[in-house]
Amino acid sequence: KQEVTQIPAALSVPEGENLVLNCSFTDSAIYNLQWFRQDPGKGLTSLLLIQSSQREQTSGRLNASLDKSSGRSTLYIAASQPGDSATYLCAVRSLGSGGGADGLTFGKGTHLIIQP
Amino acid sequence: DAGVTQSPTHLIKTRGQQVTLRCSPKSGHDTVSWYQQALGQGPQFIFQYYEEEERQRGNFPDRFSGHQFPNYSSELNVNALLLGDSALYLCASSIGDGYTFGSGTRLTVV
Repeated sequence: KQEVTQIPAALSVPEGENLVLNCSFTDSAIYNLQWFRQDPGKGLTSLLLIQSSQREQTSGRLNASLDKSSGRSTLYIAASQPGDSATYLCAVRSLGSGGGADGLTFGKGTHLIIQP
Repeated sequence: DAGVTQSPTHLIKTRGQQVTLRCSPKSGHDTVSWYQQALGQGPQFIFQYYEEEERQRGNFPDRFSGHQFPNYSSELNVNALLLGDSALYLCASSIGDGYTFGSGTRLTVV
């Protein structure tokens, strides 16, 4: 059974800092990995999707890396802004027993606060 | 282009009752998945529908059932509600690998 862990659970940093959020997963047989952002009481916004064959993806100030063999992914946020304050969720889509892909398995998230 | 639409946004039900939640997928998406997110937790996969069939299911009891219609919209039904069913229920639609999530339905069971 796939398990996803995110560290730290919460993080508070001053505006302008670069920061790294960590995600680990127990089963390396994955189809892809996604990072999402969730604002309080809202749904999820997809940030980056990394296929199992890829090492990293970039979008603006965000960069996500994937090391499938060690079961780790990191989300790097450059030059943080107060608007980045949200909960960041890592989700893994595992390879199913039938050869297809399973539903997403999420971590509990990192609650990020950027202080102005 | 509308994204994923869920209704209602909030709902209060009594223990033992039944509830139906609705989801309209993003235009062009043919697959709908449902997730349950308890307070302070990550979403948990309930099931996925494709071509009006349940294609995959997570670790949820049979009290949780669903349906997908020919226009790809979907319903989530929960019978015999328990207090522990109180959560944010998220619908996600997809075609291929990317998921688009709705804003969710907040269900409170009292």
